[in-house]
Amino acid sequence: EADIYQTPRYLVIGTGKKITLECSQTMGHDKMYWYQQDPGMELHLIHYSYGVNSTEKGDLSSESTVSRIRTEHFPLTLESARPSHTSQYLCASESSDLNRGETQYFGPGTRLLVL
Amino acid sequence: KNQVEQSPQSLIILEGKNCTLQCNYTVSPFSNLRWYKQDTGRGPVSLTIMTFSENTKSNGRYTATLDADTKQSSLHITASQLSDSASYICVVSDRGSTLGRLYFGRGTQLTVWP
Repeated sequence: EADIYQTPRYLVIGTGKKITLECSQTMGHDKMYWYQQDPGMELHLIHYSYGVNSTEKGDLSSESTVSRIRTEHFPLTLESARPSHTSQYLCASESSDLNRGETQYFGPGTRLLVL
Repeated sequence: KNQVEQSPQSLIILEGKNCTLQCNYTVSPFSNLRWYKQDTGRGPVSLTIMTFSENTKSNGRYTATLDADTKQSSLHITASQLSDSASYICVVSDRGSTLGRLYFGRGTQLTVWP
């Protein structure tokens, strides 16, 4: 069982609102990721971090921002939500220690609906 | 272009039957290949991970195979159960270092009927 958590699990919000999706892991992993997944589609990487104060944009253009002030937390923020942001957001973490394997552990996801 | 293609897109089988899911990839250089199971509304859970030198790996009723020469992998599920109903995602990593990135397939949606 992976020790990676996301809150909220579900969020319905109006257009223009600022939202922050929380992600935390207690496994001491250096690498953390945010993915966006629409129903029946593949995961798209939107942000990643290889450690504290390290953040990079992923393959899918996103209007969201992330921060990595602490190893355990990797929050994602949308300054002004739009209906096009409606999707499922998945957070993942991975150890950079090859001896611990390279499996990515995923959180349960946040389903976001922007009205 | 690095891609991961999965087939079939969806599959329906009866409980107790076996099935095989396919994954073809063009990712290069190759580091490892992973199979994940994703239940509806949940995050993916790792089933197996195989490196270049591994041909097969099992996890209970799940057995993954890898042919790095033809760039093909399969996931075989034995004696299917209702709880096997999920999306199965093939993921390929292009490097083992911190520069590595993952390429995701769209998944095969498996439905097991009683």
